[in-house]
Amino acid sequence: EVQLVESGGGLVQPGRSLRLSCAASGFTFDDYAFHWVRQPPGKGLEWVSGIDWNSGGVGYADSVKGRFTISRDGAKNSLYLQMNRLRVEDTALYYCVRDTGPYYFISGIVHYGMDVWGQGTTVIVSS
Amino acid sequence: DILMTQSPLSLPVTPGEPASISCRSNQSLLHSNGYNYLDWYLQKPGQSPQLLIYFSSSRASGVPDRFSGSGSGTDFTLKISRVEAEDVGVYYCMQALQTPLTFGPGTKVDMK
Repeated sequence: EVQLVESGGGLVQPGRSLRLSCAASGFTFDDYAFHWVRQPPGKGLEWVSGIDWNSGGVGYADSVKGRFTISRDGAKNSLYLQMNRLRVEDTALYYCVRDTGPYYFISGIVHYGMDVWGQGTTVIVSS
Repeated sequence: DILMTQSPLSLPVTPGEPASISCRSNQSLLHSNGYNYLDWYLQKPGQSPQLLIYFSSSRASGVPDRFSGSGSGTDFTLKISRVEAEDVGVYYCMQALQTPLTFGPGTKVDMK
């Protein structure tokens, strides 16, 4: 079964750090790009970050650039999101999402959507 | 960043009747390669989002054919030919033409 399982969420004070993990199974991890997408309580979806199949390309939303770092480990079939200098507005459910292709973004490349979503892990930033 | 808007934001529907959701972008999503980089996702209550449509009109694997997408440039539409009870939830459009990828605000579909 194709599956993404996030972990690492929790309650953290503003300014502190947290590392999210996403364990992938049921498919060849190295064939795909991945994203992190978040959803604040009661609100819509926001793309946070993406990473290519070989980590050669990464991207971030302006709201997290310079504070968050996406990475992946093929040996562990895992995706990560290191979140530093957390803010109250980072409070959200964070989804690990598989892209249908090997690149999270390249202009003009064929894009068939983001087809596998985890159940999410909750991050609450509060004093 | 490309701004995505949707209308309506709330859509009460009747089972068996058609439904339609509009999505607009403030920049054309039509690439020079001829593809419109517009996806549709459905988030059912209590669930993670799921992919419905990519390239504006291509149904993802396993998506029922009562769902159809259309449009080009800046105006797009998701249509449900005959709504079923399992179609309730929040529908999001998302542009994949430029990074950062951006979503619309969502359209909540529920039964009358």
